[in-house]
Amino acid sequence: QKEVEQDPGPLSVPEGAIVSLNCTYSNSAFQYFMWYRQYSRKGPELLMYTYSSGNKEDGRFTAQVDKSSKYISLFIRDSQPSDSATYLCAMNKPGANSKLTFGKGITLSVRP
Amino acid sequence: EPEVTQTPSHQVTQMGQEVILRCVPISNHLYFYWYRQILGQKVEFLVSFYNNEISEKSEIFDDQFSVERPDGSNFTLKIRSTKLEDSAMYFCASRINTEAFFGQGTRLTVV
Repeated sequence: QKEVEQDPGPLSVPEGAIVSLNCTYSNSAFQYFMWYRQYSRKGPELLMYTYSSGNKEDGRFTAQVDKSSKYISLFIRDSQPSDSATYLCAMNKPGANSKLTFGKGITLSVRP
Repeated sequence: EPEVTQTPSHQVTQMGQEVILRCVPISNHLYFYWYRQILGQKVEFLVSFYNNEISEKSEIFDDQFSVERPDGSNFTLKIRSTKLEDSAMYFCASRINTEAFFGQGTRLTVV
């Protein structure tokens, strides 16, 4: 079983839709969870970071973590064409220098 | 806003040649990383660096790879003898706390 699995894509939604992006993980040592957005041939841009189970909201974005189920989600409300990108989940273990383990990413297209 | 900068943005090299990829991490960050992303695949960890030494490296980071922080600001990744399969995007990242910030990447094409 892969350490981090991300729902395969691509995903296409109309403008204004609510988008749900999901990842599961197998290693219970992961304690910190991030969502990155990546535009084509660019570096990952940090969107959301959380370390506790529950929800964290930032504008139109909500990150949800369920450590008991080893499941994380990113919700995008009122999606915009500018949200079209690849979304990567990433996570790491405690430790000052801990590396990130990424999901494969899902490409989202928001149609005007 | 501070950012991680990488140069060059694109490098084409012949198989067997040495390449050096350069990064300037965010100035007060302490931990530095190189990741790579082969086209269509996930971002993979290569190496982490702290206090002027390698903290951890993946199985990808073999003897052909080396990292250096020569002058307190730059952070470099050297590939001694490039192979075709080294063609990928290479990302530098830095962090001070848990959140890691990435550069825009260097696209390495080995021909």
